[in-house]
Amino acid sequence: EPEVTQTPSHQVTQMGQEVILRCVPISNHLYFYWYRQILGQKVEFLVSFYNNEISEKSEIFDDQFSVERPDGSNFTLKIRSTKLEDSAMYFCASSSGRAFFGQGTRLTVV
Amino acid sequence: TQLLEQSPQFLSIQEGENLTVYCNSSSVFSSLQWYRQEPGEGPVLLVTVVTGGEVKKLKRLTFQFGDARKDSSLHITAAQPGDTGLYLCAGVKDKLVFGAGTILRVKS
Repeated sequence: EPEVTQTPSHQVTQMGQEVILRCVPISNHLYFYWYRQILGQKVEFLVSFYNNEISEKSEIFDDQFSVERPDGSNFTLKIRSTKLEDSAMYFCASSSGRAFFGQGTRLTVV
Repeated sequence: TQLLEQSPQFLSIQEGENLTVYCNSSSVFSSLQWYRQEPGEGPVLLVTVVTGGEVKKLKRLTFQFGDARKDSSLHITAAQPGDTGLYLCAGVKDKLVFGAGTILRVKS
């Protein structure tokens, strides 16, 4: 079965540093998403991406966050200046009707 | 804000017991999905229900979508320790809206 892959699986970064989380969606999917899950809390929507632009974003997705699909395959989430409260599991998903999630990247900001 | 209330938040039962998890909202969704999530991994899709009143079965799991497409339930018959995990419902409109999840623990 096709799958969404995310790298790295775990990233530790210092507060204030930039991080880029990478995702390879399923190849024929058209919609891409980033979600995050703070430890012990619910899965929260960050942003959706369609036709090479953001289609919707949540209040969490402020100016520190950006997404790109630079080469038509990878889908990246960039956090410009990380804060302690950005520590969470970040999940990428792609969809063409059914949404498939990656295994997640555990981001730890110290 | 589309809220999806999921209950119970935590359930600890003995092997062989039956259980039901509920997912309720004041919003109408085009479809509703149920996921299972293992610690440290991403949600894995179990089922999508689309039509109001629809019932789908996946082995010992029965999923129902409410007639008004605002609520759903997941029923597990004769739970086994392997069913232990976090179960998430997610309503579908233009994006997935997740419930808070139900942690299920099945003791042998």
